[in-house]
Amino acid sequence: AQRVTQPEKLLSVFKGAPVELKCNYSYSGSPELFWYVQYSRQRLQLLLRHISRESIKGFTADLNKGETSFHLKKPFAQEEDSAMYYCALTQGGSEKLVFGKGTKLTVNP
Amino acid sequence: ETGVTQSPTHLIKTRGQQVTLRCSSQSGHNTVSWYQQALGQGPQFIFQYYREEENGRGNFPPRFSGLQFPNYSSELNVNALELDDSALYLCASSTRRDSTNEKLFFGSGTQLSVL
Repeated sequence: AQRVTQPEKLLSVFKGAPVELKCNYSYSGSPELFWYVQYSRQRLQLLLRHISRESIKGFTADLNKGETSFHLKKPFAQEEDSAMYYCALTQGGSEKLVFGKGTKLTVNP
Repeated sequence: ETGVTQSPTHLIKTRGQQVTLRCSSQSGHNTVSWYQQALGQGPQFIFQYYREEENGRGNFPPRFSGLQFPNYSSELNVNALELDDSALYLCASSTRRDSTNEKLFFGSGTQLSVL
């Protein structure tokens, strides 16, 4: 069964510090991985997807098939990065996104 | 370009009742997905509609049903409400091209409370 695990419910860092939000998945095929973000009082929105290999707002994520991980990283956290982050996966072409439970990131001044 | 809109924003029902939630897709999108998000959990896939037909379903009982209309708006219907149905219901629209889903655009959700 497809499963996404985000081991940290809460993560707190100081502004300027590096941040890594962990995501591990279990899936037998070749999944497509995503990070979604929800800022305070805003709707859930796509942050980045692994096939795009892009950096959005300074965040990057590398798919590690050996470790079945897709950790989200940013070298220097900003206060505006404080939000709820969800890792999600889908089978290529599938209609269904499987989400993790989310990690609440707080960046302190 | 208008975003995904959902109505109502909040709803209170009693156990055993039926409820209908509504969603207007983002302009130009032909696919709508519904998710249930319980408190402290990530969103869980209920089903997706594409060209007015159900295009995939998650692990939800048949009392969860849906419709997609020619203008791509959608409804989620839940019959015989149970206490555990209390959750935030999210609608997301996207464009499905060549059997591939483009990124999802989410609405703000309907918060359903079942008493």
